[in-house]
Amino acid sequence: DTEVTQTPKHLVMGMTNKKSLKCEQHMGHRAMYWYKQKAKKPPELMFVYSYEKLSINESVPSRFSPECPNSSLLNLHLHALQPEDSALYLCASSLSGGGTTYEQYFGPGTRLTVT
Amino acid sequence: GENVEQHPSTLSVQEGDSAVIKCTYSDSASNYFPWYKQELGKGPQLIIDIRSNVGEKKDQRIAVTLNKTAKHFSLHITETQPEDSAVYFCAAKRDSGGSNYKLTFGKGTLLTVNP
Repeated sequence: DTEVTQTPKHLVMGMTNKKSLKCEQHMGHRAMYWYKQKAKKPPELMFVYSYEKLSINESVPSRFSPECPNSSLLNLHLHALQPEDSALYLCASSLSGGGTTYEQYFGPGTRLTVT
Repeated sequence: GENVEQHPSTLSVQEGDSAVIKCTYSDSASNYFPWYKQELGKGPQLIIDIRSNVGEKKDQRIAVTLNKTAKHFSLHITETQPEDSAVYFCAAKRDSGGSNYKLTFGKGTLLTVNP
C-alpha cells in the first residue's frame, strides 16, 4: 500500500484566518514533504521533514508553518495568507532521504483558495 | 543546481498509437529519474522510475530509457488508451549533497489520447 492521505480536500479561507492542512501515511516512511503546485506547473518543494526534524525549508514565507507531530503525521499551519497562495498543496513521503534515494509517493492534495 | 527540460509540452495521439516524452537534465551527478502521471484534480502518481545503473526499464505498456552520456531520459507508452490522458512529469535527483531530498521536475507534458 502506497497511500498518503490529506485533509481537507478543499479549503477556502480569508486572509485573516488560521487553518491547518493535515497529511498522514502508514507506510513507515521517515521522510515527509510539503509541495505547492500552481495550475499547469510542476510541484514546488516547500519543506522536508526527516525523522520528524525539519531538514529543508525552501525559503518559504513564515505565514506557512510546518509541524511533524510523529512519524506518520505532517501538518501545515496557515496564517495571514495572500490570494497568490491559492494553489494545490501536496504532501509526499518516502522511506528515507539520507544517502539513498527512495520513491516519493504523493497524496491527493488540498485545493486551497484564499479570498 | 539541477535543471530538467521536458518536451513536448503537449502531445496528442490516437488510441492505440505510441507516445514518447523526452527529458534532459544538466547535473551529471543525478542518478534517479522518476516519472509521475497527474490526472485532473489528483496528486502525482509515480508510474515508473529508473536509476543510473540501468539503461532501460519496462512495466507492461510503459518503459523508460536513460542515456547517461547524453543526459537524457524518455518515457515510452505503447498501445495508448484514453485513460492514459493526463499530465506527465519527469524528474531528476541525486543521492549526495545538500539537495539529498529534492526532486527537480520538468515542466510537464499534457498527453491527450483521442478515441
